[in-house]
Amino acid sequence: DAGVIQSPRHEVTEMGQEVTLRCKPISGHDYLFWYRQTMMRGLELLIYFNNNVPIDDSGMPEDRFSAKMPNASFSTLKIQPSEPRDSAVYFCASRMVGTNNEQFFGPGTRLTVL
Amino acid sequence: KQEVTQIPAALSVPEGENLVLNCSFTDSAIYNLQWFRQDPGKGLTSLLLIQSSQREQTSGRLNASLDKSSGRSTLYIAASQPGDSATYLCAVTESISGANNLFFGTGTRLTVIP
Repeated sequence: DAGVIQSPRHEVTEMGQEVTLRCKPISGHDYLFWYRQTMMRGLELLIYFNNNVPIDDSGMPEDRFSAKMPNASFSTLKIQPSEPRDSAVYFCASRMVGTNNEQFFGPGTRLTVL
Repeated sequence: KQEVTQIPAALSVPEGENLVLNCSFTDSAIYNLQWFRQDPGKGLTSLLLIQSSQREQTSGRLNASLDKSSGRSTLYIAASQPGDSATYLCAVTESISGANNLFFGTGTRLTVIP
């Protein structure tokens, strides 16, 4: 398997613009997680899905952030409108139930909002 | 809320030395603990996962131990190599949350000097 795939790897945008980050989990994995990594706060969970259904979005910072998982092989994290404080690395991870709950991470998307 | 602390924040050692990285967590009701490696600009690579019922796990030159009652874990790296240079993160999942939320430490940045 190719592992968790994220796109784009780097995104530079201007404040106010809409940003969409994409993730393809490992085939067969039924959990998908979105994390954000910043220097100040480290790695934090934003939201996770089980069988395409959002289970816990308490980590989503505000209404400007939204996430969807239309099918088992694709998820998006959207920020609209984007702000400079959203600049961070966003990671997607997936796991399969019953496999010691080990999460596998994608390479991340480095977002810079100017 | 679970808090995970890693000490030291940074560590430099000459090649060939054995070293220990420390991780502590505030709530002992964990499901498992994972050690990850993160290279600059890259994603997270899972190194070892220890279930709450286990005391240690080994993979090659790496050995991770877990003392759940005291809220501590250590990652032992034997015969360090320059290729081991990276940031090492520990993360715990809690039993209460259904083992779905990873709480990350702030990491230890390791530099192995040739």
